Amino acid sequence: DAGVTQSPTHLIKTRGQHVTLRCSPISGHKSVSWYQQVLGQGPQFIFQYYEKEERGRGNFPDRFSARQFPNYSSELNVNALLLGDSALYLCASSLALGRWGSNEKLFFGSGTQLSVL
Amino acid sequence: DQQVKQNSPSLSVQEGRISILNCDYTNSMFDYFLWYKKYPAEGPTFLISISSIKDKNEDGRFTVFLNKSAKHLSLHIVPSQPGDSAVYFCAAFPRLDGNKLVFGAGTILRVKS
Repeated sequence: DAGVTQSPTHLIKTRGQHVTLRCSPISGHKSVSWYQQVLGQGPQFIFQYYEKEERGRGNFPDRFSARQFPNYSSELNVNALLLGDSALYLCASSLALGRWGSNEKLFFGSGTQLSVL
Repeated sequence: DQQVKQNSPSLSVQEGRISILNCDYTNSMFDYFLWYKKYPAEGPTFLISISSIKDKNEDGRFTVFLNKSAKHLSLHIVPSQPGDSAVYFCAAFPRLDGNKLVFGAGTILRVKS
């Protein structure tokens, strides 16, 4: 079974550009979350989508946006890139939403390493 | 505002001995806690979790302890193996915002053979 897949794996952009990161969840998973991990820190929550609707948003500026498609895949868009946006962007999928029972966990992809020059 | 703190950036342990990774939290609304392990070039993988109604949860070599009054949890790995060498993240879900997982900064564990 394929896990969470993210593309591209690495990306180099310059300040002011925009970027689109893509994520395919595990088959059957309807929820996708996005996290940003800056070097030396833990992942920080950006968005969660469930059944194509935004269900949670972290403390990120409006330059960050996302969407989820009918096949449950997702895109994260970042406009007007800043140097500080350089980070590993992680996508995670889960079966459902909210409280985590013993069988529900977040499954993370390997991430997209974004470098902004 | 770091709500989940892992104050030890790194820990080195001899193979076969116990590894103890610590985590403190400040938000009393957290009610579900998880530990994730991350190898280089891979995403975090779920390790073990504990609900705030419990004070201990075991899964094989891994045990998580929760002390709610101290807002402290710890992960014990016994016995430690070289393959356990990774970054370990403590994370928590707030009761009223169950979709947002809050992570600590991580602890690098090195198990020496």
